[in-house]
Amino acid sequence: ELKVEQNPLFLSMQEGKNYTIYCNYSTTSDRLYWYRQDPGKSLESLFVLLSNGAVKQEGRLMASLDTKARLSTLHITAAVHDLSATYFCAVDIPNRDDKIIFGKGTRLHILP
Amino acid sequence: NAGVTQTPKFRILKIGQSMTLQCTQDMNHNYMYWYRQDPGMGLKLIYYSVGAGITDKGEVPNGYNVSRSTTEDFPLRLELAAPSQTSVYFCASRPPGGGNQPQHFGDGTRLSIL
Repeated sequence: ELKVEQNPLFLSMQEGKNYTIYCNYSTTSDRLYWYRQDPGKSLESLFVLLSNGAVKQEGRLMASLDTKARLSTLHITAAVHDLSATYFCAVDIPNRDDKIIFGKGTRLHILP
Repeated sequence: NAGVTQTPKFRILKIGQSMTLQCTQDMNHNYMYWYRQDPGMGLKLIYYSVGAGITDKGEVPNGYNVSRSTTEDFPLRLELAAPSQTSVYFCASRPPGGGNQPQHFGDGTRLSIL
């Protein structure tokens, strides 16, 4: 059974600092997704990572995928308050394209 | 494109009442999903469908029913509402073939059972 674990689950950080959120998964998969959820809102797709070594960047966020280590990272550079949100990673079940397993989410609070 | 549309946005039910949460998508996506999200928690899959006429249980199906008579619509029915079903419900869809594409989410239905 595929399990997806994120850490940390809660993170409070100061503006201007760098930090990394980690997403580990338990079985082989080469398709991983990052979503953002603002308080009281829906989930918005941020990144789609489809192969080992994939790296995607959008503004101060950069996501990468290491399928051999079964690890994805979401790196935040010089954090700003607007990035405060909950970030979810999700992984496709191997050999199936109908179900995605979500991590529990990382609640990020960036202090001004 | 409207994307994934959920109605209603908010609803308060009394214990024992029933209701249907509506979800429709206009992107011709085969795959559709219902999740619930309790306060401060992650997503739990209730039911999903890979096409019209096909549905399958997710992680927490008890107390819910679904149907999929068309590609566009995937309603979720609550029978005999219970306080434990107080949650935010999200519908999502995914393109044909699924893989390599993220899910697209509706805005959610906030449901309180009193």
